[in-house]
Amino acid sequence: KQEVTQIPAALSVPEGENLVLNCSFTDSAIYNLQWFRQDPGKGLTSLLLIQSSQREQTSGRLNASLDKSSGRSTLYIAASQPGDSATYLCAVRELSGNTPLVFGKGTRLSVIA
Amino acid sequence: GAGVSQTPSNKVTEKGKYVELRCDPISGHTALYWYRQSLGQGPEFLIYFQGTGAADDSGLPNDRFFAVRPEGSVSTLKIQRTERGDSAVYLCASSLRPGSNEQFFGPGTRLTVL
Repeated sequence: KQEVTQIPAALSVPEGENLVLNCSFTDSAIYNLQWFRQDPGKGLTSLLLIQSSQREQTSGRLNASLDKSSGRSTLYIAASQPGDSATYLCAVRELSGNTPLVFGKGTRLSVIA
Repeated sequence: GAGVSQTPSNKVTEKGKYVELRCDPISGHTALYWYRQSLGQGPEFLIYFQGTGAADDSGLPNDRFFAVRPEGSVSTLKIQRTERGDSAVYLCASSLRPGSNEQFFGPGTRLTVL
């Protein structure tokens, strides 16, 4: 059974710092991996989606990498801002493509002004 | 365009009552997913619809939970004889077609069972 783990569970950084969030998954036979942002009391906003054949995706200050063979992904946030404060969730979709997402528990990020 | 919408946004009920949660997917999206998110946890899969049929209901925790999508668009998640442990945020997501890469999520319904 696929399991997704996110480390750390919580992170607090001063504004302007670059930071890395980690995600690992137990079964490397994935279709894709997706990073989401969740603000308190809100739904999920998709940030980046990496296909299994890709190694990274970039959007603005965000860069996500994927090492499928080792079962790892990282989300890099450059020049963090207080508005980046949220919970970041990693999710994988397994090989058939019609399967639901398997989520980690998330990393709760606080960026202090 | 309009995203996935869910109603109600909040639902408070008493133990033993019946509740219905509604999801309106993005127009034209054929696949619809229900997830449940407990406090401090990631979302967990409940059921997946392709069109009108439930393609995978392996995540439903027990037979008190049931979902329908009679016309292949709006879906209703139904919970009978609610228990305090059912309290969670229920999230709905849709995607354009089978195997489509990206799922788009609604804002969720926060269910509280007293």
